[in-house]
Amino acid sequence: DTAVSQTPKYLVTQMGNDKSIKCEQNLGHDTMYWYKQDSKKFLKIMFSYNNKELIINETVPNRFSPKSPDKAHLNLHINSLELGDSAVYFCASSRPSGGTDTQYFGPGTRLTVL
Amino acid sequence: AQSVTQLGSHVSVSEGALVLLRCNYSSSVPPYLFWYVQYPNQGLQLLLKYTTGATLVKGINGFEAEFKKSETSFHLTKPSAHMSDAAEYFCAVSEHGTASKLTFGTGTRLQVTL
Repeated sequence: DTAVSQTPKYLVTQMGNDKSIKCEQNLGHDTMYWYKQDSKKFLKIMFSYNNKELIINETVPNRFSPKSPDKAHLNLHINSLELGDSAVYFCASSRPSGGTDTQYFGPGTRLTVL
Repeated sequence: AQSVTQLGSHVSVSEGALVLLRCNYSSSVPPYLFWYVQYPNQGLQLLLKYTTGATLVKGINGFEAEFKKSETSFHLTKPSAHMSDAAEYFCAVSEHGTASKLTFGTGTRLQVTL
C-alpha cells in the first residue's frame, strides 16, 4: 500500500503547454503539500492545504494552481509551462500538530520542459 | 525568518567509519528540527526530529542527532557507516503553526566507500 502516490512519475512536455500532476494519500491526513526540488536538489515549499483549504501559498507564479477536491487529493496544474519549471515536484502529507508533524513524501514527478 | 545551513554538500566516508553531517539553524523562536533522507529517485523519508525534551534524538537506521541551542546546531551522526547509507540528507526547520512549513537546507550527499 503506497501512502502518498503521485502520477505521472515522469512528464516531458513542450514550452507553453498546460499539464497537471496528481497526488493522493491514504494516510487519513488533513494536510497536504507541494514542494519543488530544482536541479541542485534544493527543496522549497510551494503550497499547503488543510482540509481542502489553502493555508500556505509561497511566492509561486500564478501559472501554478493547486486544487484539492477532497482531503485525500491535492493536484497541481501548471499553465504555459516554461523551461525553468523543469524540476522534481513532490507531494507530501501530514497530520498537523503545530509544526512538529512528520511529513510523508510521495516518490516525486520529474517534469522536463523542452 | 528561519533558515538552515548544511556545511558540506558532499561527504565521503569509508564503510564502518563515523558519519557526521552538519546542520546549523537560525530561528527567533525555539525551533522544531528535522533530518530527512532521500535515496536515489525516491521521495524524502524522516530520519528523526527534535521538538521538545531530550536533546539527543535517536532515529531510524542507527542515526542520531543532538540539539545544541548554544551552538544553534543539530548535527546528524552514525557510529558506523554502511553502504546502504549512501543518499542525500536534508536538515529542515519548521515554523510553529497549524501546519509544518519546512524550510530545508541545501542537502548533503553522503558517499560510502569500501
